[in-house]
Amino acid sequence: DTAVSQTPKYLVTQMGNDKSIKCEQNLGHDTMYWYKQDSKKFLKIMFSYNNKELIINETVPNRFSPKSPDKAHLNLHINSLELGDSAVYFCASSQDSMSGQIAYNSPLHFGNGTRLTVT
Amino acid sequence: AQKVTQAQTEISVVEKEDVTLDCVYETRDTTYYLFWYKQPPSGELVFLIRRNSFDEQNEISGRYSWNFQKSTSSFNFTITASQVVDSAVYFCALSDSNLYDYKLSFGAGTTVTVRA
Repeated sequence: DTAVSQTPKYLVTQMGNDKSIKCEQNLGHDTMYWYKQDSKKFLKIMFSYNNKELIINETVPNRFSPKSPDKAHLNLHINSLELGDSAVYFCASSQDSMSGQIAYNSPLHFGNGTRLTVT
Repeated sequence: AQKVTQAQTEISVVEKEDVTLDCVYETRDTTYYLFWYKQPPSGELVFLIRRNSFDEQNEISGRYSWNFQKSTSSFNFTITASQVVDSAVYFCALSDSNLYDYKLSFGAGTTVTVRA
């Protein structure tokens, strides 16, 4: 009954390959995210999707293509992998709502991360 | 632009000592959220607390306490009577309250090592 689950946990691949990371949440949240954590532990948002629609794209190379088949899933496909893509990728979800003009966002719930190593 | 600064890169303490983690933030928004997350050696990111900009009350949860000072743009975190299990990287984060454009800006993290 994991809330946000990502697969695989570890991914080792060679430069030039194409790979995908899958993410699913069973919290009923309507917004999902991908964050990247580099070797210095710095965390930065890559994408967010709300109800299958792309909301945030933080100047990520277009070799990275997120796909959201439904609001419970947000997969990340990476083409032509490069050494610099090695990092830990975290999926997350949140529930957002409006009350009048005020937006409320729940805290992000993160998956356990996928450690991608490109050799 | 939003920015979060965690000036302490690493802190090492002996068990039962108190440890305070500093977090200073910058934002132009009047409504925003502040967070702390814990990342233990196993790698997952664990949500600890969220505080909105209108609520300056300090909070205590067990051995954890948070001190939010809007006047100094700080949101510090104290672990009282630290234990080995507290060893982790702790991240402070900031977000505005824009619906659907909601993203966390993380600090660089503070690595806490608690020695037995």
